[in-house]
Amino acid sequence: AQSVTQLGSHVSVSEGALVLLRCNYSSSVPPYLFWYVQYPNQGLQLLLKYTTGATLVKGINGFEAEFKKSETSFHLTKPSAHMSDAAEYFCAVTRGTGNQFYFGTGTSLTVIP
Amino acid sequence: ETGVTQTPRHLVMGMTNKKSLKCEQHLGHNAMYWYKQSAKKPLELMFVYNFKEQTENNSVPSRFSPECPNSSHLFLHLHTLQPEDSALYLCASSQDSRASTDTQYFGPGTRLTVL
Repeated sequence: AQSVTQLGSHVSVSEGALVLLRCNYSSSVPPYLFWYVQYPNQGLQLLLKYTTGATLVKGINGFEAEFKKSETSFHLTKPSAHMSDAAEYFCAVTRGTGNQFYFGTGTSLTVIP
Repeated sequence: ETGVTQTPRHLVMGMTNKKSLKCEQHLGHNAMYWYKQSAKKPLELMFVYNFKEQTENNSVPSRFSPECPNSSHLFLHLHTLQPEDSALYLCASSQDSRASTDTQYFGPGTRLTVL
């Protein structure tokens, strides 16, 4: 079975501060992990994904995430928040076969000027 | 047009109406998906088509009827909906629904309100 837990449905950070959005997964097989961002009135856009290889994955807009198998985590970080980062962020996992995504409930990021 | 487009962007319908949502992808993909996004809930996968064949139906009520005439177009036909069906309906596409590592590309969604 697959599930994704995103701790914190709302996160607020000051502009210029570190962004940390948490994602933990449960999986009976090695997972493939994704982070998507959704801006208001828009669809989801891929930020980054982990499939194999290097466990630190760099994505668009300065975001990165590290796959930690021992912690079953795939937390998303950005060193310095911008106002434009305010959005909803979704973590997702696929199982070993097939492209069915299992999404978390999302984390709404607010950036305070 | 590029990416994944959806029409209409907003739809208000009564419980007795029949309407259709349209999705078109311009990415040359072979798989298309319908998702339902409701507040405070994870995205719910509704249907999956791969090479025009339906491969997933996640126990979706029959008042939702998908149609995939070709790999570029996907429809969701709606009839006798309930107020709890009000949500954002997202369409997505990927290269092949059998590939676990494929990125899914999403459209902007149709905001549906059922009165």
